[in-house]
Amino acid sequence: QKEVEQDPGPLSVPEGAIVSLNCTYSNSAFQYFMWYRQYSRKGPELLMYTYSSGNKEDGRFTAQVDKSSKYISLFIRDSQPSDSATYLCASAGAQKLVFGQGTRLTINP
Amino acid sequence: ETGVTQTPRHLVMGMTNKKSLKCEQHLGHNAMYWYKQSAKKPLELMFVYNFKEQTENNSVPSRFSPECPNSSHLFLHLHTLQPEDSALYLCASSQDWGIEQFFGPGTRLTVL
Repeated sequence: QKEVEQDPGPLSVPEGAIVSLNCTYSNSAFQYFMWYRQYSRKGPELLMYTYSSGNKEDGRFTAQVDKSSKYISLFIRDSQPSDSATYLCASAGAQKLVFGQGTRLTINP
Repeated sequence: ETGVTQTPRHLVMGMTNKKSLKCEQHLGHNAMYWYKQSAKKPLELMFVYNFKEQTENNSVPSRFSPECPNSSHLFLHLHTLQPEDSALYLCASSQDWGIEQFFGPGTRLTVL
């Protein structure tokens, strides 16, 4: 079983839609949960992270973690074509950082 | 130059060639990483260096040989690679071991 599982997609939605990206993880020692965004021909960049359970909001982006179900979510409101990228979830704990496969997202104008 | 740079951006090599990938970080970080990114697979951590000392080697085949001469530069020496080694090789850096890692644009490697 992979420690972090993510549906690779691809996912295609119209501009303005609410996007929901999800991951599951298996390691109970993970305490940090991250979302990285990777544009084409670029390296990943950290979008946001949460510590333990709960929500974190940053503009149009909301990250959510439910440790009881080991579920990680990223919501994008009012999605824009510039949000088109691959989104990688990651979990970390005890100096171990594990990435999911990434979900390729396209926002259609 | 800012951030993390990698050269070359693209590399095609035969199975008998020897080549090197170079990474340089301009962020003052002390930890550097090599990752392998293959299609539809998670990022795979290959090597970690902290203060120029290798602290992690994730069972990487010996045909990949890392070198970290100082905390700003990281190399990945390649020899007798296999076609399944074709992938995007990403370098990253962070301050100590950290969840916020700063990635370079990667080297797209094709092994013929």
